[in-house]
Amino acid sequence: DAGVIQSPRHEVTEMGQEVTLRCKPISGHDYLFWYRQTMMRGLELLIYFNNNVPIDDSGMPEDRFSAKMPNASFSTLKIQPSEPRDSAVYFCASSLGAKTQYFGPGTRLLVL
Amino acid sequence: SQQGEEDPQALSIQEGENATMNCSYKTSINNLQWYRQNSGRGLVHLILIRSNEREKHSGRLRVTLDTSKKSSSLLITASRAADTASYFCAINFGNEKLTFGTGTRLTIIP
Repeated sequence: DAGVIQSPRHEVTEMGQEVTLRCKPISGHDYLFWYRQTMMRGLELLIYFNNNVPIDDSGMPEDRFSAKMPNASFSTLKIQPSEPRDSAVYFCASSLGAKTQYFGPGTRLLVL
Repeated sequence: SQQGEEDPQALSIQEGENATMNCSYKTSINNLQWYRQNSGRGLVHLILIRSNEREKHSGRLRVTLDTSKKSSSLLITASRAADTASYFCAINFGNEKLTFGTGTRLTIIP
């Protein structure tokens, strides 16, 4: 089992640029979660999907953030335009039946 | 805030000693989970305890839940250097989401 796969692992970009983070959940899992982790705010849930449908996006900080899940094996989190305060580690997690969550290795984003 | 509050924020102990960390919350829960995060890595699930359970074991881990005090504790016995990590409680309040605590940073001194 490959686990949850995220790409890229590291991203450095300049303010104003578009950033796209990618996630491949564990095969067969029906839930997918996007989190953001910072020292100041800890681990925050941004949005989650059930069977590819967004269920709760109340954690998405601003309209600059958007997420999609076009199929059961792929999801993206997009930030456009990016700002320095978006710098964080972004995690994707998947689960079967919304119980134990399996996290990917994260994408470390730095916006200059 | 429904976020779990963990204490201590940081803990350093000698290898072989036991480590205990605590998580408190404010409203009724469905279940509570503990996760470990090694530096630079994603979180790894350790154990889940349901609201009607009081204690669970997994290897060197023991988790207790006291719903009357709205608190849980994670005990790691006979600590090893490899246990150095941050530990988070994650609370399910009855919906599909988990709310993560602030974490305890555990350092095991060889």
